[in-house]
Amino acid sequence: DVQLVESGGGLVQPGRSLRLSCTASGFTFGDYSMAWVRQAPGKGLEWVAFIRSTIYGATPESAASLEDRFTISRDDSRGIAYLQMNNLKIDDTGLYYCVREVEGAGEYWGQGTLVTVSS
Amino acid sequence: EIVLTQSPATLSLSPGERVTLSCRASQSVSRHLAWYQQKPGQVPRLLIYDAFKRATGIPVRFSGSGSGTDFTLTISSLEPEDFAVYYCQQRDIRGTFGPGTKIDIK
Repeated sequence: DVQLVESGGGLVQPGRSLRLSCTASGFTFGDYSMAWVRQAPGKGLEWVAFIRSTIYGATPESAASLEDRFTISRDDSRGIAYLQMNNLKIDDTGLYYCVREVEGAGEYWGQGTLVTVSS
Repeated sequence: EIVLTQSPATLSLSPGERVTLSCRASQSVSRHLAWYQQKPGQVPRLLIYDAFKRATGIPVRFSGSGSGTDFTLTISSLEPEDFAVYYCQQRDIRGTFGPGTKIDIK
């Protein structure tokens, strides 16, 4: 079975950094594009970033509004996708989901890891 | 950034009714449009990708259509478990989600 397990969330002060991890199992990790999607409390979904599969160069893209602070990466040897988040702001608070894509759509989702940015 | 607009924001319907949800993109996304369902406290569930392809295990009452800038999700006959929020998403250029349409029970 496909499993995606996020970790690394927690309470962090504004301006600090955090790195989220998504540990994948049950499929050949390098064959798939991976993404991060977030959801602020009581709000809608927000696309954060994706990284192409290895055969497509593992090239990353982030949302334009976040690309100066958020970076996605992957380690195919360990089956892990990362989201490096720098200079965190209060508005970055939310549940961060790891997603395995099919044709650019989120086919499998983890349960999410909660990030709270507060002083 | 491509902006997605969904209409209506809320629908109040009864089980058995047919419903059509709209998603409009600020510029063409070809067929790179997906639809999701999310219930309170749950992870989003992929319903449709590439505008019209049903995801694995999705009932046939869900169907998608459209291309370019205008897309629809149709539920042919609402079941009690279909009352939820529905989001569209494009991944033609980077990615964006629409604001969602909530279907609640009339």
